[in-house]
Amino acid sequence: GDSVTQTEGPVTVSESESLIINCTYSATSIAYPNLFWYVRYPGEGLQLLLKVITAGQKGSSRGFEATYNKETTSFHLQKASVQESDSAVYYCALGETSGSWQLIFGSGTQLTVMP
Amino acid sequence: DTTVKQNPRYKLARVGKPVNLICSQTMNHDTMYWYQKKPNQAPKLLLFYYDKILNREADTFEKFQSSRPNNSFCSLYIGSAGLEYSAMYLCASSRGGDNYAEQFFGPGTRLTVL
Repeated sequence: GDSVTQTEGPVTVSESESLIINCTYSATSIAYPNLFWYVRYPGEGLQLLLKVITAGQKGSSRGFEATYNKETTSFHLQKASVQESDSAVYYCALGETSGSWQLIFGSGTQLTVMP
Repeated sequence: DTTVKQNPRYKLARVGKPVNLICSQTMNHDTMYWYQKKPNQAPKLLLFYYDKILNREADTFEKFQSSRPNNSFCSLYIGSAGLEYSAMYLCASSRGGDNYAEQFFGPGTRLTVL
């Protein structure tokens, strides 16, 4: 079936350190998967961080980057230098269009950035 | 306004009692979704409305009902709550039918069944 697997949390890093949160997907029933990273900051709802709809392309937002790698079925989230305000839960998600837009989420990675 | 609102934010229910959760959005999105989120698990799609058409996931078909009286509102109804229904319920909306659509999420309703 279709699924998303991501780095299990919690992950703790110090401010200004680099970060990578791994995400791999399986899209057996989706011809053209679209990939997303969503983030949930404390007390807020899930919000889209970045998205990539074409294999081989890179998405970026707020200093985060992720490249859609079809060969390795991966969409890892990276940031060169994290800030305390990046502390949140990050979800990798797989999307499709088949009459409507459905998202298949990973289980989330809790990130804590220490000052 | 790109917010999705959910009411209530917290709900306490007794086993066997009904529960009704409300979601609203003013973005004129044609698709609205309900997800269930349990600790350390991925959000799980329960159902979604595309315009007036309700689509329910096969494994939750009999457990949840929904209504969408107009484009802006969508409810999630549990006829008889069980302990296993304790979870965070997330509502989302999107334009749907668009390759570049993104889902906008509400803050969630935390349901505790005792």
